[in-house]
This record gives sequence, structure tokens and C-alpha cells, in this order.
Amino acid sequence: GDSVTQMEGPVTLSEEAFLTINCTYTATGYPSLFWYVQYPGEGLQLLLKATKADDKGSNKGFEATYRKETTSFHLEKGSVQVSDSAVYFCALSDPSGGYNKLIFGAGTRLAVHP
Amino acid sequence: KAGVTQTPRYLIKTRGQQVTLSCSPISGHRSVSWYQQTPGQGLQFLFEYFSETQRNKGNFPGRFSGRQFSNSRSEMNVSTLELGDSALYLCASGPGQGQGEQYFGPGTRLTVT
Repeated sequence: GDSVTQMEGPVTLSEEAFLTINCTYTATGYPSLFWYVQYPGEGLQLLLKATKADDKGSNKGFEATYRKETTSFHLEKGSVQVSDSAVYFCALSDPSGGYNKLIFGAGTRLAVHP
Repeated sequence: KAGVTQTPRYLIKTRGQQVTLSCSPISGHRSVSWYQQTPGQGLQFLFEYFSETQRNKGNFPGRFSGRQFSNSRSEMNVSTLELGDSALYLCASGPGQGQGEQYFGPGTRLTVT
């Protein structure tokens, strides 16, 4: 079945450092790919998405490119802030059946220190 | 637009009891999905409703059920609660067919004692 694998955390960075969180997927169809972020005590917020190969999703300085050849969707940010500290989830959905079922990775906790 | 709302935010129940959680989607969204989040299992899909019909279901026992009303509001019910049902239950709504993009509510934290 479809699955998502994320790099394990926690990832600890200093403010203004470069961030990469790796995400790879396994899917039989042509999934849409997402990054969600969860701040402490809150639900998930959609950070960015890409619906086909070579698409680049971007939002709030974060970006990720849908790489079909490597089945990857790595999240990057050039300069992190303390306020970026949260748990980040990579997810996929297979829209071919018209359904809205998200399959999530395990999540990667990011801690940014001043 | 108002976001997804869930009630109650926190709930404490005893083993063997049942519980009903409520979700109001973003206005205009017809798809509502439910997810369970636990430290051990992560985020797992429970079921999705679209236009009052369940059209996808995850791998959970029959104690977990749900429904959707004509105004797209949804409820989730868990009967005969077990300690392992303690979790954050998240509701998400989406615009419709096959886009996969979903917007989450703040969740209901259920504790079973």
C-alpha cells in the first residue's frame, strides 16, 4: 500500500540556519503531496502542496519539489526562525479514486534555538 | 471564512463508556474526514464522509463510527471505550472531489481512564 517515510527527529538548529527535512513516498498511482505543520496544542496546518511531478510548492519561505524519479518531496527553508519550531508531517493522497484520504509520515520535530 | 471547529476540545471518559465528537467543516466544504493521532501510531485515517455518505474507511474496529448531516457537519462515535482509544481526534474538511487538500480543526483530546 501507499506509504510515507520521513527522516527521524528531532532536528535542532540555530536561528538563520538552513533546513532540510527528507520525505520519500511509495504509491501505486500519481499522488498529490503535502507538508503539514503542527504547533504545540494545535491541529495541523497545511503548509504547502504539489499535485504533479516537478511541481514546486512554497509558502512562508518553505518549499518542496515533487520528484517522481526519486519519489521524494523534501522540505527546505533557507533561514529558520524560532517561530518555526513545530512538528512537520509529510503526507500523500491518491486522488484517482476521488477520495480525500491522507497518508502521513511519522512527523519530524524541529527545534530552533536563538 | 471560519475554519474547522471541533467540540468539545477536551474529554475524559471511563472505560466501557461511549463518546460522541462533533465537527463543523469550513463553509462550502462537503468532505469531512476523521483522523486519530497517538504518540505510538501517529496519524491514522478513520473515515471520510462526502454528501452524507461514508466513502472510505480506515482500519479501525466497528466501535468507531460516524455520520454526516445535510449541512455537512459530522459526528464521530466511539462505543465501549478502551484505554487505547486515548488520543487526539482530528477532523478535516476539504473542498470536494479528489484534490486531497484538507484543512484541519484543533482536535478533541480524549482521555480514557
